[in-house]
Amino acid sequence: AQTVTQSQPEMSVQEAETVTLSCTYDTSESDYYLFWYKQPPSRQMILVIRQEAYKQQNATENRFSVNFQKAAKSFSLKISDSQLGDAAMYFCAYSSNFGNEKLTFGTGTRLTIIP
Amino acid sequence: EAGVVQSPRYKIIEKKQPVAFWCNPISGHNTLYWYLQNLGQGPELLIRYENEEAVDDSQLPKDRFSAERLKGVDSTLKIQPAELGDSAVYLCASSARTSGSETDTQYFGPGTRLTVL
Repeated sequence: AQTVTQSQPEMSVQEAETVTLSCTYDTSESDYYLFWYKQPPSRQMILVIRQEAYKQQNATENRFSVNFQKAAKSFSLKISDSQLGDAAMYFCAYSSNFGNEKLTFGTGTRLTIIP
Repeated sequence: EAGVVQSPRYKIIEKKQPVAFWCNPISGHNTLYWYLQNLGQGPELLIRYENEEAVDDSQLPKDRFSAERLKGVDSTLKIQPAELGDSAVYLCASSARTSGSETDTQYFGPGTRLTVL
């Protein structure tokens, strides 16, 4: 079974600075997907970024980028130019590449933005 | 385009009472998921539907939980009777593709926060 570990329960960053959230996972599969979701107090899970394991290039979405290290089974999220609206719980998630299998989530990192 | 819709947003019930949650997925999405999120945890899958068929219900406690997805669109998750430990957030998600094709992104609704007293 796959597992996802987020070792930072809480992180904080000054507004406009850069922060990196860590995620490691364990799997015996070679083809899979990794995701970062954001969950603000409204509870709705919002997709931040997605990475296909077969792609060597790290995914980027505006101020959000990932550092995907397949051999190390590491998938960190970097948020640049942090904004107050980035404050939320961030969940790392894993999915097999066999057609919409379930997402396996980590326990989350609560990110606080300091004005 | 409308997102995943869930109702109610909040529900408070006494233990041993029944409760039902409703989900309307994004239009055209064939796959629907129900997740359970306990406080301070990530969501965990309860059941996954492809069209009308429940293709993964291995984590659904079938003694008290049931679900249906009539006509392959809306879905209802029911708990009867509810227990104190069922207090949690129930999330619904949907995605466009079905098994055998490339994994597609899951889009989540706002969830229902259940409190059992």
